[in-house]
Amino acid sequence: AQKITQTQPGMFVQEKEAVTLDCTYDTSDQSYGLFWYKQPSSGEMIFLIYQGSYDEQNATEGRYSLNFQKARKSANLVISASQLGDSAMYFCAMREPSGGSYIPTFGRGTSLIVHP
Amino acid sequence: SQTIHQWPATLVQPVGSPLSLECTVEGTSNPNLYWYRQAAGRGLQLLFYSIGIGQISSEVPQNLSASRPQDRQFILSSKKLLLSDSGFYLCASIFSGAQRTQYFGPGTRLLVL
Repeated sequence: AQKITQTQPGMFVQEKEAVTLDCTYDTSDQSYGLFWYKQPSSGEMIFLIYQGSYDEQNATEGRYSLNFQKARKSANLVISASQLGDSAMYFCAMREPSGGSYIPTFGRGTSLIVHP
Repeated sequence: SQTIHQWPATLVQPVGSPLSLECTVEGTSNPNLYWYRQAAGRGLQLLFYSIGIGQISSEVPQNLSASRPQDRQFILSSKKLLLSDSGFYLCASIFSGAQRTQYFGPGTRLLVL
């Protein structure tokens, strides 16, 4: 079974609008970390935002915020005021306790296209 | 600050030729290091990871091998490339910090013909 599920293969948004990218996860651990990455056409994976399982407040980084609903096991990324440069693939990832190897599990990604 | 370098940026190699991709990390010591492969339009496939010099764990049996000869150097190799080895190879590192965030290098695009 997939541990990270991103159900939206592609999303479209108008410039300056907000967009939510969905991510659900599956774990039986109490301590875990959730991450979002952006991959533009250049290929580099860019870290955007982190949410710890014990963090009581939703993480925010500039125009990025993570809507963390622990009971629902969801960690959706919200991008406010979309810009053309936000067009990219977005990956959700989860890190569980792993005895020191810290191997995250990645979702299959969501392609976001921002229209002018 | 921590930086991850990868080279070459792009590579075109014939089937059956050897491969060596290098990844080096600056600004940290004893990082966890990872090699991923990404096929066009697909997600990330973890190939190898290392928690220390000479310590390599393989996640997927394949035509590739990895080595960590120095603390901040991680090398991906093959003796004979296959067409299926084509893809985008990303090196990643986890630096110190409670979040254990994984950071990625710029990647190497490999085309095997």
